[in-house]
Amino acid sequence: GQSLEQPSEVTAVEGAIVQINCTYQTSGFYGLSWYQQHDGGAPTFLSYNGLDGLEETGRFSSFLSRSDSYGYLLLQELQMKDSASYFCAPIPGNTPLVFGKGTRLSVIA
Amino acid sequence: DTGVSQDPRHKITKRGQNVTFRCDPISEHNRLYWYRQTLGQGPEFLTYFQNEAQLEKSRLLSDRFSAERPKGSFSTLEIQRTEQGDSAMYLCASSLGHRLWEQYFGPGTRLTVT
Repeated sequence: GQSLEQPSEVTAVEGAIVQINCTYQTSGFYGLSWYQQHDGGAPTFLSYNGLDGLEETGRFSSFLSRSDSYGYLLLQELQMKDSASYFCAPIPGNTPLVFGKGTRLSVIA
Repeated sequence: DTGVSQDPRHKITKRGQNVTFRCDPISEHNRLYWYRQTLGQGPEFLTYFQNEAQLEKSRLLSDRFSAERPKGSFSTLEIQRTEQGDSAMYLCASSLGHRLWEQYFGPGTRLTVT
């Protein structure tokens, strides 16, 4: 079967660093993507890990450990515009992404 | 604007009616996906195409749902005999086949079934 776990809500202060964890269980695994979705908007691609380790894209970094079926998204220098829902989306083989319920991040002043 | 467009953006229909949505993907993307999203949930996979071939359909998808991508470009999603439970945002996304992890989503079609 498939399962996906992320915290449902996270609150952090503007300028701080926040880490959103993701644990997954899928039948087959190709890699882990991260998407951001603002209220009323469509999901937008943030990052992808096909191999273990850290991928950095500006203020955002994503990490993957295949052996632990675990990944995280790290957001640095938080800005108010980062308030959104964040989805980790494992790819179970050559098939489409699996989205969970996501993590709602609120950035406060 | 990601380059993926959907039409209409909003649709209100009465229970039992049929509706059809259209998606125009990024032109060079050979993969096209349909998702459904309800409030507080992530996108739920419905089906996807590689070029004109429908490669996978969610087991949760009712027979009332059908999708086509006749020439490997735009796609349509039809829902027959709509039910109130079909009310949701229907999202279309596209990707290059070899970068299936990087999908570009359209703005969605919000369906309300009364």
